[in-house]
Amino acid sequence: NAGVMQNPRHLVRRRGQEARLRCSPMKGHSHVYWYRQLPEEGLKFMVYLQKENIIDESGMPKERFSAEFPKEGPSILRIQQVVRGDSAAYFCASSPYLAGNTGELFFGEGSRLTVL
Amino acid sequence: GQQVMQIPQYQHVQEGEDFTTYCNSSTTLSNIQWYKQRPGGHPVFLIQLVKSGEVKKQKRLTFQFGEAKKNSSLHITATQTTDVGTYFCAGPVIGGNEKLTFGTGTRLTIIP
Repeated sequence: NAGVMQNPRHLVRRRGQEARLRCSPMKGHSHVYWYRQLPEEGLKFMVYLQKENIIDESGMPKERFSAEFPKEGPSILRIQQVVRGDSAAYFCASSPYLAGNTGELFFGEGSRLTVL
Repeated sequence: GQQVMQIPQYQHVQEGEDFTTYCNSSTTLSNIQWYKQRPGGHPVFLIQLVKSGEVKKQKRLTFQFGEAKKNSSLHITATQTTDVGTYFCAGPVIGGNEKLTFGTGTRLTIIP
């Protein structure tokens, strides 16, 4: 069974470019979370999605950031016009969401974004 | 918004000593989960507690969920070098949309 797959694992962008991070959840999982982690810091919630539906995006900046989880294909976290402060590790996690209980989250290995 | 704090932020212990991290939420949680993140790695699920006052054990690890479902603790007995990492609690607000808010984490380092 493949785990949560994130790519790219490492991404370098110059200020003003776009970063596109992809996450394929575990098979059978219908819910995806995105978290951001700065070096030596905790996991900051960004967005929580179900296929074709954003459940909660309260942690995501309103400008430059967007997320989707289409019916087919991976979840995408898109950061437009990146700035140095966007440099971080971005973790995706998926869950099966059974019986109204999120259950455990399965994390991918993360995408580490560096903005020059 | 919901805040989940953990203390201490850092803990250095001699190998063989015990370790405890405490988790406090500003809101009542429907359940509490604990994760471990090794340096350079990704968070890995350890356990979930659901009931008020629940206590669960995994070998040297003991997890407790408070009576009011707003706090929790993780205790490790006789730490080993493999216990190194950051321990996070996480929980969804009761009656909410199951969004998991993570605590601030406690980083454990072991002195051999």
